[in-house]
Amino acid sequence: DSGVTQTPKHLITATGQRVTLRCSPRSGDLSVYWYQQSLDQGLQFLIQYYNGEERAKGNILERFSAQQFPDLHSELNLSSLELGDSALYFCASGYGDTQYFGPGTRLTVL
Amino acid sequence: GENVEQHPSTLSVQEGDSAVIKCTYSDSASNYFPWYKQELGKRPQLIIDIRSNVGEKKDQRIAVTLNKTAKHFSLHITETQPEDSAVYFCAASIGGATNKLIFGTGTLLAVQP
Repeated sequence: DSGVTQTPKHLITATGQRVTLRCSPRSGDLSVYWYQQSLDQGLQFLIQYYNGEERAKGNILERFSAQQFPDLHSELNLSSLELGDSALYFCASGYGDTQYFGPGTRLTVL
Repeated sequence: GENVEQHPSTLSVQEGDSAVIKCTYSDSASNYFPWYKQELGKRPQLIIDIRSNVGEKKDQRIAVTLNKTAKHFSLHITETQPEDSAVYFCAASIGGATNKLIFGTGTLLAVQP
């Protein structure tokens, strides 16, 4: 157990819908990272927040957005969902270089 | 742009043999290189990492080596066991204000009993 929690574990929804994925970092970690894992794209960095502020962006689609709240938990919002958005979404938290991954949310778009 | 290449994509060894996975990174500013083990349907789990000021690091049966000049780093697993079977990912980061990880494409390691 990494100490990073994510909810829900599984999410099944339809194309065009919007979903919210939630992540709680390890106690004391100020940084939260979001990654997407799909069969064809591998593990890809989406976005990083540090103490409530966006720190870095990867290949995150405009339909996706994220935020980090004062209690340091983070939410990833995915809208206008497409079949290709089906993937495992991982949140990681860390202090310094090291990142610890949560259990992930498996999103299936039908 | 930033890129990490990883080889081989699949590796099958007999129990007790050694396994070596190699990665090459493109961004010379990279200074942090972790390795993650991922079992099917589970989270990536950090198993070892190395920073650019160190050439080699060892933790029991696992070791990582780094050649900054060649921009290569490798994972070595000795005395492999069936429970080592998983997908292994290398990654690189430039650290500093943004520690985003750029991952390799993964190596599926199968340890045959």
